[in-house]
Amino acid sequence: SQKIEQNSEALNIQEGKTATLTCNYTNYSPAYLQWYRQDPGRGPVFLLLIRENEKEKRKERLKVTFDTTLKQSLFHITASQPADSATYLCALLNFNKFYFGSGTKLNVKP
Amino acid sequence: GAVVSQHPSRVICKSGTSVKIECRSLDFQATTMFWYRQFPKQSLMLMATSNEGSKATYEQGVEKDKFLINHASLTLSTLTVTSAHPEDSSFYICSAREPTVGNTIYFGEGSWLTVV
Repeated sequence: SQKIEQNSEALNIQEGKTATLTCNYTNYSPAYLQWYRQDPGRGPVFLLLIRENEKEKRKERLKVTFDTTLKQSLFHITASQPADSATYLCALLNFNKFYFGSGTKLNVKP
Repeated sequence: GAVVSQHPSRVICKSGTSVKIECRSLDFQATTMFWYRQFPKQSLMLMATSNEGSKATYEQGVEKDKFLINHASLTLSTLTVTSAHPEDSSFYICSAREPTVGNTIYFGEGSWLTVV
């Protein structure tokens, strides 16, 4: 069966450290992988997109890697801030549809 | 980034009535929109894919007669929850695909539906 797995346990880190979130998938062949941020009671907000032929993408303090052999994407936030606290979702485009992982909640403590 | 507007943000309706949720892409044309449902602390569950000018494609287990989707124009898709019941209470989110930017999808702010 097809699965997108994100660590369901919350990630608690200290302000200023780098947060690393993981997205693993099975039985998909995604052309794109995207990361979103979702705050409670709000719709997800697009952060980054990475294509299957790209290994790494950066945007300000954000970095995404995509390993199609391992079927894994890593999402990094450097110099984390309390304002980065939210749930982060990965999403795959597979055969013209988008599927989401369950998200990982990030708590950045001051 | 692109803007997707969803309305209403919150709605309370009586059991047995129908409620319509609108999803608009404000600054791009969206041939494809998606409707999701999300329960508290759970992932987004894809309900259906809405294609402009044609019938929506529903995911397995989603009742098409209960969740009516209309995509009449390139900027508007609607979801109508018919004969709503308390178990339909949920957070409904639409998204639209922006075709010129690597198929990025942008989400509306979501609609909280409470059926009493």
